[in-house]
Amino acid sequence: AQKVTQAQTEISVVEKEDVTLDCVYETRDTTYYLFWYKQPPSGELVFLIRRNSFDEQNEISGRYSWNFQKSTSSFNFTITASQVVDSAVYFCALSEYRSDMRFGAGTRLTVKP
Amino acid sequence: GAVVSQHPSRVICKSGTSVKIECRSLDFQATTMFWYRQFPKKSLMLMATSNEGSKATYEQGVEKDKFLINHASLTLSTLTVTSAHPEDSSFYICSARLAGAGDTQYFGPGTRLTVL
Repeated sequence: AQKVTQAQTEISVVEKEDVTLDCVYETRDTTYYLFWYKQPPSGELVFLIRRNSFDEQNEISGRYSWNFQKSTSSFNFTITASQVVDSAVYFCALSEYRSDMRFGAGTRLTVKP
Repeated sequence: GAVVSQHPSRVICKSGTSVKIECRSLDFQATTMFWYRQFPKKSLMLMATSNEGSKATYEQGVEKDKFLINHASLTLSTLTVTSAHPEDSSFYICSARLAGAGDTQYFGPGTRLTVL
């Protein structure tokens, strides 16, 4: 069975600090996808990134970066120079090939000015 | 691209009435849509998978007679909460899976249902 663990329930940082959100997953499939979504106070889930299991290359998009390590079954998300607008709940999710998406419990990030 | 709309965004109804929520993929066709429920400060809980032209697949513990799902076209799925009760009050979110995008789901803005 697929499982996603986000051990950090809440994180609070001061603006301009870097912050890393952890995600650890479990799956028996060799083909799977990992995702990160952002849920601001408005409630809508915003797609941030998708990674497939065959692509371990790290990715950077502006202030966002993702570190995918199959050896530790982790897919961590780092926000550099955090801003108040980054305050949201962030969900890591796993989808085995053509299967349902399972979400982690989410990490609530608060960025204080 | 990959925009999903959901209507209504907020609904308040009396206990015993039925409420219909619509989920539309605006700029792509979705053979598969999903319905989730989210309680305050909790993660998303998958309720059912909606496949165009066939019956929905419900997760264990979700009453199919209470939460009726219809996926009549490639761009529209509806969730009807029948005989709503206060415990059905929640945030309902739909998503649509974009073919060829590695199982990526794009989410609607959600519907907040309050049953009095």
